Amino acid sequence: DQQVKQNSPSLSVQEGRISILNCDYTNSMFDYFLWYKKYPAEGPTFLISISSIKDKNEDGRFTVFLNKSAKHLSLHIVPSQPGDSAVYFCAASQYTGTASKLTFGTGTRLQVTL
Amino acid sequence: EAGVAQSPRYKIIEKRQSVAFWCNPISGHATLYWYQQILGQGPKLLIQFQNNGVVDDSQLPKDRFSAERLKGVDSTLKIQPAKLEDSAVYLCASSLDSFGGTVIAFGSGTRLTVV
Repeated sequence: DQQVKQNSPSLSVQEGRISILNCDYTNSMFDYFLWYKKYPAEGPTFLISISSIKDKNEDGRFTVFLNKSAKHLSLHIVPSQPGDSAVYFCAASQYTGTASKLTFGTGTRLQVTL
Repeated sequence: EAGVAQSPRYKIIEKRQSVAFWCNPISGHATLYWYQQILGQGPKLLIQFQNNGVVDDSQLPKDRFSAERLKGVDSTLKIQPAKLEDSAVYLCASSLDSFGGTVIAFGSGTRLTVV
């Protein structure tokens, strides 16, 4: 049972335009959502997060939107740059009684073209 | 600040052999994680330590996988015997604590190929 889903395996966007990466989840007990970026041969690096009690969080060119009723979140990158080309993972956190556990989606590969 | 260190970077073994991976987390991080990432999938949590105690190992195949965290710092993950389906990148990660929203820092991973 995949609780965090990223239905688009890949996305191609022109430099300077907006990139929108989507993520859906099924577990209403998730209390935090995080986005990680991964370059080849490196581990994922943290990008931005949002608490389940908020609907928007912004950090420079990156904004995450959360729609709890639809169990959907999205990451907006404006403007997109070639260095943003990477695999983006959506992750959701749930407190299990002893600690918080992070569940990852399958990732979306973003390609920013010139 | 030094990041999460892992070794080796790559390992090729034959099925039924054993293998061990080592991880040194960021200094001061109480929580340590081992994730398995199979090609085309997201990282899957195998085991989570809080200091040197296990807080979650529900997805660890305990008949072949084992992990320990000595003195609440370094950790090793062992597979014995390995199967073809164990081919994956094994990511070690650490965080200050285990609270929701805490940022997890990942190492570069060990790519294991079982032939």
